[in-house]
Amino acid sequence: QKEVEQDPGPLSVPEGAIVSLNCTYSNSAFQYFMWYRQYSRKGPELLMYTYSSGNKEDGRFTAQVDKSSKYISLFIRDSQPSDSATYLCAMSETSGSRLTFGEGTQLTVNP
Amino acid sequence: AAGVIQSPRHLIKEKRETATLKCYPISRHDTVYWYQQGPGQDPQFLISFYEKMQSDKGSIPDRFSAQQFSDYHSELNMSSLELGDSALYFCASSFSGANVLTFGAGSRLTVL
Repeated sequence: QKEVEQDPGPLSVPEGAIVSLNCTYSNSAFQYFMWYRQYSRKGPELLMYTYSSGNKEDGRFTAQVDKSSKYISLFIRDSQPSDSATYLCAMSETSGSRLTFGEGTQLTVNP
Repeated sequence: AAGVIQSPRHLIKEKRETATLKCYPISRHDTVYWYQQGPGQDPQFLISFYEKMQSDKGSIPDRFSAQQFSDYHSELNMSSLELGDSALYFCASSFSGANVLTFGAGSRLTVL
């Protein structure tokens, strides 16, 4: 079983929809949680970064971490066609240590 | 500001050949990470360096080696290439082990 599980999708939504992306994990030592966006043939780009449990909001993006349930989420409000990409959750045990990625969810936002 | 630069962007090799990938981190970043991403898969951690010393080692085959040089750039050397080595190889850099990693655009290796 993988340490980080993420539904690969694909997920297709209409423009303006609220998108919910999720990951579960099994390693209770993970303390740092990130969401990366990856466009086709490009490197992952950091979207959100949170430490331990809680919520973090940045514009149309909200990241939630529930360590008790080992569950993290990324919400995208008012989704745009430019949000179409693969979204990868990533986690690490300590700052600067290796990242363990989820499989990535492929999102398409249709105009 | 320049991001993480990787070269070459594309590389085609035959089985059993060798390949070298290069990574130039963001200026003043002292930590470099290498990840391998197979088709449709998540990036897998290979190895990392901090201040020119290996700081962590993941699922890197013995056929692969890497190092970080005095100017902080890093090279990933791959020998006896196998078909299964075909993948995107990403380099990422950070400053003093901070968790904010910046990834390069990747080097796509195809082994025929």
